[in-house]
Amino acid sequence: KAGVTQTPRYLIKTRGQQVTLSCSPISGHRSVSWYQQTPGQGLQFLFEYFSETQRNKGNFPGRFSGRQFSNSRSEMNVSTLELGDSALYLCATHPGLSAAEQFFGPGTRLTVL
Amino acid sequence: DAKTTQPPSMDCAEGRAANLPCNHSTISGNEYVYWYRQIHSQGPQYIIHGLKNNETNEMASLIITEDRKSSTLILPHATLRDTAVYYCIVTETSYDKVIFGPGTSLSVIP
Repeated sequence: KAGVTQTPRYLIKTRGQQVTLSCSPISGHRSVSWYQQTPGQGLQFLFEYFSETQRNKGNFPGRFSGRQFSNSRSEMNVSTLELGDSALYLCATHPGLSAAEQFFGPGTRLTVL
Repeated sequence: DAKTTQPPSMDCAEGRAANLPCNHSTISGNEYVYWYRQIHSQGPQYIIHGLKNNETNEMASLIITEDRKSSTLILPHATLRDTAVYYCIVTETSYDKVIFGPGTSLSVIP
């Protein structure tokens, strides 16, 4: 079974630009969560999508948004990039059963210059 | 804030058991204890989870105290590849605003 795929793996942007990251879940997984990881703040929950609906949201500004498609693939978008947005962005997918584990992708390393 | 408290770092000799503690004194009755680990620059990897009974799988054992206020993850024979940050998480469902604390950085020493 193929794992969680995230594209691109590395990205360099400049302040003020916007970026779109993609996550393809494991086949059959309908829940996709996004996390931001920085050395200072650790792993922080951004949002979770299930059946194309945002079901949970963390404490991030509106510049961070996401969506999920009918095939469960998800994208997250960050607009008006700031230096502090430099981070490893991870997605995690889940079959939808409440107590099952999440499967994390390898992440996208975003650098904002 | 995370609902768990873990020591920031631990060392373990290769081949010995690694016992990683976690305190979760405010855990509620329907919350599970999950353990994940993250090897440098990779995505976190699920290890094990439990509600109130001890659990064992091919990777580790999870011992939860009777009052459920603390737990211990046991790696029975630690190898160098077990060097990672280990996260203990308490959550009702594995996807609902999961909050990761700073975790325990485990170093397995030859």
